Amino acid sequence: QKEVEQNSGPLSVPEGAIASLNCTYSDRGSQSFFWYRQYSGKSPELIMSIYSNGDKEDGRFTAQLNKASQYVSLLIRDSQPSDSATYLCASTRGGSEKLVFGKGTKLTVNP
Amino acid sequence: GAVVSQHPSWVICKSGTSVKIECRSLDFQATTMFWYRQFPKKSLMLMATSNEGSKATYEQGVEKDKFLINHASLTLSTLTVTSAHPEDSSFYICSSAGGSNHEQFFGPGTRLTVL
Repeated sequence: QKEVEQNSGPLSVPEGAIASLNCTYSDRGSQSFFWYRQYSGKSPELIMSIYSNGDKEDGRFTAQLNKASQYVSLLIRDSQPSDSATYLCASTRGGSEKLVFGKGTKLTVNP
Repeated sequence: GAVVSQHPSWVICKSGTSVKIECRSLDFQATTMFWYRQFPKKSLMLMATSNEGSKATYEQGVEKDKFLINHASLTLSTLTVTSAHPEDSSFYICSSAGGSNHEQFFGPGTRLTVL
């Protein structure tokens, strides 16, 4: 069983819509959760981190964590074509600094 | 977030040669850095954890004698791909871990092509 799972997509939304990206994880000991954005040919860029249950908002991005359901999501409001990228969900293995990555969801925002 | 640089950004070499990639943490001291490899359209694969002043910890299946890691200072880790072969062609990315929340900040990556 994969430790971090994401829907590989591709996910396509129109400009201005809300993009919803989902992620589940199997290690109940995971404490920290991250969303990275990776443009084609570039390295990942940290866009959100979340550590406790509930919502965390930063600009157009909202991360949601539900530890009971082992579920993490990322909402992107007012999606822009520049948001088109692959979004990687990651969590730490319990007590470790190592990150476990999902395979990523490719998002396309159509003008 | 932390700023991490890598050099070179791309390199082309002949089969059998060795290539050194540098990873620098520019604005904070990183006791731990990580090296990843990413093949086209694949996810990141952790190769090793680089610890300042001690030996690197390699992930299962990664040859430590082929991928030499040195973390001699709190701001610099190097990865040397020894006797490179075409199958080593990949995108190599380092990251540094900062603070108590395990956030990792990635360098821009090095694209290695072995002819």
